[in-house]
Amino acid sequence: QKEVEQNSGPLSVPEGAIASLNCTYSDRGSQSFFWYRQYSGKSPELIMSIYSNGDKEDGRFTAQLNKASQYVSLLIRDSQPSDSATYLCAVTAGGAQKLVFGQGTRLTINP
Amino acid sequence: DGGITQSPKYLFRKEGQNVTLSCEQNLNHDAMYWYRQDPGQGLRLIYYSQIVNDFQKGDIAEGYSVSREKKESFPLTVTSAQKNPTAFYLCASSIGGGLAGGEQYFGPGTRLTVT
Repeated sequence: QKEVEQNSGPLSVPEGAIASLNCTYSDRGSQSFFWYRQYSGKSPELIMSIYSNGDKEDGRFTAQLNKASQYVSLLIRDSQPSDSATYLCAVTAGGAQKLVFGQGTRLTINP
Repeated sequence: DGGITQSPKYLFRKEGQNVTLSCEQNLNHDAMYWYRQDPGQGLRLIYYSQIVNDFQKGDIAEGYSVSREKKESFPLTVTSAQKNPTAFYLCASSIGGGLAGGEQYFGPGTRLTVT
């Protein structure tokens, strides 16, 4: 079983709709959770971090964490074509400051 | 203007040659990391360093070496022992420590092609 799993997609969403990206992780000791956005040919950009159960909102982005279910998600409201990218879920490994990345979900927003 | 720089952006080498990728940061971050990304894949950790003069192997360290002589710099050498070196190499840094210490910020990457 992979440590961090994401649906590879591609996920296709119409412009203006809500895009929902999901991630599960295996290490119950993980304390910090991150979402990165990566445009084609570019490096990852940190867009959300979440450390406690519940929701965290930042503009059009909402991260949701459920440690009991070992599940973290990212919602993008009012999706725009500029949101088309690969989204990487990352989770801290054990107690160290290492990150384990999922393989990424490719999101396409259709005008 | 704070950030992480990697050079060069593209690098071409012949098989059997060692090559060193540069990574510099002026964010005053303690921790630095090297990742490798293959097409359509997530990131895999090669080496990381949480403090000057100390570093640890990541998941795929074989065929790579690093040094951390200065806080700002964490160069990666891809040796001829690395069987499949063609990839996109990403350097990252973080403040290290605490929950937010996992927030890693990436440089623009170096795309290495070995033929």
